[in-house]
Amino acid sequence: KAGVTQTPRYLIKTRGQQVTLSCSPISGHRSVSWYQQTPGQGLQFLFEYFSETQRNKGNFPGRFSGRQFSNSRSEMNVSTLELGDSALYLCASSPPLEKKNIQYFGAGTRLSVL
Amino acid sequence: EDQVTQSPEALRLQEGESSSLNCSYTVSGLRGLFWYRQDPGKGPEFLFTLYSAGEEKEKERLKATLTKKESFLHITAPKPEDSATYLCAANSGAGSYQLTFGKGTKLSVIP
Repeated sequence: KAGVTQTPRYLIKTRGQQVTLSCSPISGHRSVSWYQQTPGQGLQFLFEYFSETQRNKGNFPGRFSGRQFSNSRSEMNVSTLELGDSALYLCASSPPLEKKNIQYFGAGTRLSVL
Repeated sequence: EDQVTQSPEALRLQEGESSSLNCSYTVSGLRGLFWYRQDPGKGPEFLFTLYSAGEEKEKERLKATLTKKESFLHITAPKPEDSATYLCAANSGAGSYQLTFGKGTKLSVIP
């Protein structure tokens, strides 16, 4: 069974640009969450999508947005990039809560903003 | 505001020297306490989910326990391959996922 797939693995952007990251969840998983990981702040929750609807949102500015498609694949977009947006962006997918309370993580997308 | 604090930040052990990692949490309505292992350059790997005080789970040399305010990850007779960063997270999402993570404990096991 394939795991959570994130593309691309690495990205280099400049300040002011925008970026889109992609996440393909494990087959059958309808919940997809996004996290930002930095050395200073650790892992911070961005948002969770379920059946194409945003179900939860963390404390990030509106420059961070996401969406989920009918096949459960998800994208995350960051507009007007800032230097502080340099981080590892992780996606996690989950089976239905009534089956198992687990989040499976992808390997992440490493974003560098210059 | 939900908070999760892990200690120590870093821990060096000799191979075979048992120890425990601590995770303190303040969450409005805990719906699962998670432990993950993260190796450099990789995403977190799921270890355990605990739900209620008194619960314990084991996997090989690892045992996780939960109280009303803390969770412990006990490592018995560790091996060098146990070296990694161990992350603790609390889920406060009602019927959903909204995990608050601690900053992790970086474990180094010396042969």
